[in-house]
Amino acid sequence: NAGVTQTPKFRVLKTGQSMTLLCAQDMNHEYMYWYRQDPGMGLRLIHYSVGEGTTAKGEVPDGYNVSRLKKQNFLLGLESAAPSQTSVYFCASRQRTRGQYFGPGTRLTVT
Amino acid sequence: DQQVKQNSPSLSVQEGRISILNCDYTNSMFDYFLWYKKYPAEGPTFLISISSIKDKNEDGRFTVFLNKSAKHLSLHIVPSQPGDSAVYFCAASAGYGNQFYFGTGTSLTVIP
Repeated sequence: NAGVTQTPKFRVLKTGQSMTLLCAQDMNHEYMYWYRQDPGMGLRLIHYSVGEGTTAKGEVPDGYNVSRLKKQNFLLGLESAAPSQTSVYFCASRQRTRGQYFGPGTRLTVT
Repeated sequence: DQQVKQNSPSLSVQEGRISILNCDYTNSMFDYFLWYKKYPAEGPTFLISISSIKDKNEDGRFTVFLNKSAKHLSLHIVPSQPGDSAVYFCAASAGYGNQFYFGTGTSLTVIP
């Protein structure tokens, strides 16, 4: 099992550019999450999904969109990147009643 | 508004001694709590959890204690080992809920 994988690992964007971060899990988990981690802020939930075809907003959803067209994939999109979106992004998945499995993270810099 | 707080950004402990990491929460609806460990350049790894029907849960060297009246939980690591040096996050949710709220983390250094 690869667990949770994230693509890409690093990316530098210019302000106003768009990109999509891909998260994939091979554990057949129902729930998937996107977090961002900033210094002194811990992990903050951006969006999450409780199953294929469903998405919901978390604590800090503004400026991001998500899609869960297939159970194993959860995509995070930035339509017009801003410097405030410079962060490390983590994807996670879980089954109900269990802790989350996290991916290795994507380090995004917006200049 | 931070609903889960870890007020100690860092902690240093001698190898073999006990490490105690603390976490406070404000939302009385939280009843499922977790601890994660994170090494640099890696994603967090689930360590141990506890539901509010218990006040203690053990897994090897790791024990989590929950004090519901004080809205406080702690993670005890005994004995501490150099490989335990990492950032530890506590997290909470309402039930086995959909959203997890994380603290800001405590960086533990175990000195050989």
